[in-house]
Amino acid sequence: GAVVSQHPSRVICKSGTSVKIECRSLDFQATTMFWYRQFPKQSLMLMATSNEGSKATYEQGVEKDKFLINHASLTLSTLTVTSAHPEDSSFYICSARERTGPFLAFFGQGTRLTVV
Amino acid sequence: ELKVEQNPLFLSMQEGKNYTIYCNYSTTSDRLYWYRQDPGKSLESLFVLLSNGAVKQEGRLMASLDTKARLSTLHITAAVHDLSATYFCAPNLFGNEKLTFGTGTRLTIIP
Repeated sequence: GAVVSQHPSRVICKSGTSVKIECRSLDFQATTMFWYRQFPKQSLMLMATSNEGSKATYEQGVEKDKFLINHASLTLSTLTVTSAHPEDSSFYICSARERTGPFLAFFGQGTRLTVV
Repeated sequence: ELKVEQNPLFLSMQEGKNYTIYCNYSTTSDRLYWYRQDPGKSLESLFVLLSNGAVKQEGRLMASLDTKARLSTLHITAAVHDLSATYFCAPNLFGNEKLTFGTGTRLTIIP
């Protein structure tokens, strides 16, 4: 099946710094990718939909200036957490869906962000 | 707004027993996905159910979908320790790219 690769898998950063997370679709073109956030022992919450060549669509309550999304190509979307604070510490997961068939969603490995 | 509820939220069961996880959702959906998540890991796809009445089975897991009742079930037969994980359902309406995840069911299999 299709593979989505996410990097880094784990990052620790200091408060006030920015962190970039990459999400790549390895064997299919993804015009749309999705970014989720998951707090411990909770479900996945959709943060934003990343659209290739255009602005991302953010879910209600998600600060677009804090969580910058860039989808520069059909295989790469990035999420930058700007001026990170400890409350931004979380598990971030990206996803891309097939455009045909059962429209399966494939998920990256996730990024564990810890802000100290 | 689509709301997805799973029950139970936590399930502790003995090896060898059978149990069912329920996924109820609030608005019309014509397909539903089930995922498994191990601690500290991302999501692994288990099943995609594409129509009313669909039933899929893989090993000790069997999933079904009733779109009229807005209900999906994930049945576990003769549980084994390896099935310990958190299970999520995600109903979806054709043409809507977003997936909304259920609350999750944390399953612990006790020897």
